[in-house]
Amino acid sequence: KNEVEQSPQNLTAQEGEFITINCSYSVGISALHWLQQHPGGGIVSLFMLSSGKKKHGRLIATINIQEKHSSLHITASHPRDSAVYICAGLSYSGAGSYQLTFGKGTKLSVIP
Amino acid sequence: EPEVTQTPSHQVTQMGQEVILRCVPISNHLYFYWYRQILGQKVEFLVSFYNNEISEKSEIFDDQFSVERPDGSNFTLKIRSTKLEDSAMYFCASSEAWVGNNSPLHFGNGTRLTVT
Repeated sequence: KNEVEQSPQNLTAQEGEFITINCSYSVGISALHWLQQHPGGGIVSLFMLSSGKKKHGRLIATINIQEKHSSLHITASHPRDSAVYICAGLSYSGAGSYQLTFGKGTKLSVIP
Repeated sequence: EPEVTQTPSHQVTQMGQEVILRCVPISNHLYFYWYRQILGQKVEFLVSFYNNEISEKSEIFDDQFSVERPDGSNFTLKIRSTKLEDSAMYFCASSEAWVGNNSPLHFGNGTRLTVT
């Protein structure tokens, strides 16, 4: 069974701080999606990566395939970054089918 | 930027009633998905749809659930006889290519279903 574990569950930071959210995943997962869920519930896809590192604005995502670990970093955090960040692993489930397994999410609160 | 739209944003229904949740995926996308999130829990995969048929479904997606693309733009999820445990946020998503090819997913804002 594929699993995705995130840490921490909750994170409070002061505005301007550098933030790291971690995701560990099981064998069988070949790529990771990082998602942002707004307080109202809507979900936005941030990154999809299967190797290396991706950067978009103040967000950086890295993945270490050997260690089966990914991190999402936010530089110069801002209160508008407050959201739940979800890691989801893509795995092959046979007969040409793929599934996403979601982590429980990390609730980030950035205080002014 | 094109987006996935879902209606209604909130649906309240009585146990045993049928509900239809509606989604309009991004117009050039070919793959469509439904996910649900029970309050306080993980997002869970329900079903994926391509070329007018289900390509994969989870154990959650039993005979009470069905999906349809009735007119080339809408993508609907029907729950035939709702149960209290169907109360959740339901997300529609679409992608240009198959998610197995690392194509990014675009999510709608969700429909909150409350079964009383």
